[in-house]
Amino acid sequence: NAGVTQTPKFRILKIGQSMTLQCTQDMNHNYMYWYRQDPGMGLKLIYYSVGAGITDKGEVPNGYNVSRSTTEDFPLRLELAAPSQTSVYFCASSLGQGIGGEQYFGPGTRLTVT
Amino acid sequence: QQQVKQSPQSLIVQKGGISIINCAYENTAFDYFPWYQQFPGKGPALLIAIRPDVSEKKEGRFTISFNKSAKQFSLHIMDSQPGDSATYFCAASLGGSYIPTFGRGTSLIVHP
Repeated sequence: NAGVTQTPKFRILKIGQSMTLQCTQDMNHNYMYWYRQDPGMGLKLIYYSVGAGITDKGEVPNGYNVSRSTTEDFPLRLELAAPSQTSVYFCASSLGQGIGGEQYFGPGTRLTVT
Repeated sequence: QQQVKQSPQSLIVQKGGISIINCAYENTAFDYFPWYQQFPGKGPALLIAIRPDVSEKKEGRFTISFNKSAKQFSLHIMDSQPGDSATYFCAASLGGSYIPTFGRGTSLIVHP
C-alpha cells in the first residue's frame, strides 16, 4: 500500500491564482482530513470528510473548498490564493472505527503565495 | 480557545538523557490521547497512544503518563538519541469523533 499520497510536493502561486492540492489514500479509510501547519502553531484542521459525498468545515476553512466524490480522493481547492495561505498542507486519513483512530498523514505540500 | 496546551515549545537534551513533553487538556470528555512524531520534511506519524482507563503506557523507550484528575498527560523519552530529534505533537479526541485536537508541537533536539 502507498498509504496517503499528495501532489504536488511544492508549489509557488501568485496572489489571486487558484490551484488544487491532490490527496489519495489506498487504505479504504472512511475519514479524510486536510490540515495546514504553520511554524509554532501546530496542525489546524481545514476540512474533513466522514465518507464519500460528505464534507464538513474544520477550524480554518475560509479560502478553501473540498469535495469527496470517491472514498480514495479528497482534493483541496484554493480559489483566490492569498499570502496568508502560505503554509505546509497535510492530508490525512483514518479508518474511523473503534475508539480513537490513528491518523495516517501524507508527506505534505509546501505552498508559497507571493 | 486552545483545548490542548503543549509545553515546552522547544527542548534540547543530551544523548542518553530523558526528554519530557507535557500536555494539558480542558475537555473531560476526551478519551483518546495520541502522540505523533514528525521528522523534517515528513508528515506526522503515530508514535504511541493512551486511553484514560490506564495511567501509563510504555513502548520501548517511549512512555505516556496520564493523570486524569489533573487533566494532564506527558511523553517521556528515555535514553534519548539523536535520531529522536523531531517535532512531537500531543492530541486528544472524543471517542467516535475521530477529529483530534492537536497541541502546538514541541521541537526536540538531542545532541550527540
